[in-house]
Amino acid sequence: ETGVTQSPTHLIKTRGQQVTLRCSSQSGHNTVSWYQQALGQGPQFIFQYYREEENGRGNFPPRFSGLQFPNYSSELNVNALELDDSALYLCASSPVLLAGATRGDTQYFGPGTRLTVL
Amino acid sequence: EDQVTQSPEALRLQEGESSSLNCSYTVSGLRGLFWYRQDPGKGPEFLFTLYSAGEEKEKERLKATLTKKESFLHITAPKPEDSATYLCAVFILTGGGNKLTFGTGTQLKVEL
Repeated sequence: ETGVTQSPTHLIKTRGQQVTLRCSSQSGHNTVSWYQQALGQGPQFIFQYYREEENGRGNFPPRFSGLQFPNYSSELNVNALELDDSALYLCASSPVLLAGATRGDTQYFGPGTRLTVL
Repeated sequence: EDQVTQSPEALRLQEGESSSLNCSYTVSGLRGLFWYRQDPGKGPEFLFTLYSAGEEKEKERLKATLTKKESFLHITAPKPEDSATYLCAVFILTGGGNKLTFGTGTQLKVEL
C-alpha cells in the first residue's frame, strides 16, 4: 500500500449539487495531485498543490477547486455537478518538489473515490 | 500536442505465454515515463520509472524498456494474478506543475 488514503470510497450526488472529496498524503510527501478517471480511460490531470498553493492545472473548469492544508492533506471541491462528472477521482502524492527539478517524481496514488452523479 | 498511445487496447494470454505491451509517445521534453498497474475500481499501483533512452527496469515477471519514441512492458511467463490494466504516463517539464499525461491503458487477461 502507498499510504495515500481517500474518503469517502463511494458517493452518489444529484446534478447541481456540490461535493468535497478528501485525501491524506503519504508521510514525507508535500505535493498532491488530483486526477479524474472516466470508465475505460486513463486518469486526466485536474490540478496539483504544493505548499498549500495551486501549482498547475489541467483543462478543467473553475467549478473544480481544491485546497491543501499545512499537514499536506487535501480536498477537491466540485460545484454545480454535471452528469459527466461521474468518474473515479484519484489523489496522488509525491515527494518534496525541489526547486529547479528537471525530473518527474513518482506519484503514488490512493484508492480513489467513485462519484456517481444522477 | 503531447500524446501517449498504448497498444493493444486489450490482450488475452495463456498462463506462461510471454508478450509485450507498447506505449508510444510524441512529447517534447520528456522528463520521465512511468508504468502503473490498475486493478478494477482501485487506484493505479506504481511499477517503474524510466528517464533515459536505453534504460531498463525489472520486477519479478515484468521488464520495462525505453527508447526515444516508445516504451515496452515485457511480461515473461505471466500468471493469472498479472491480470490488470497497465497504464503508462509521461512527465513533461512545463510551467503547469508536475503533471502526468496518461495513455488509455492495456487491459491484460491471463487465463489458466
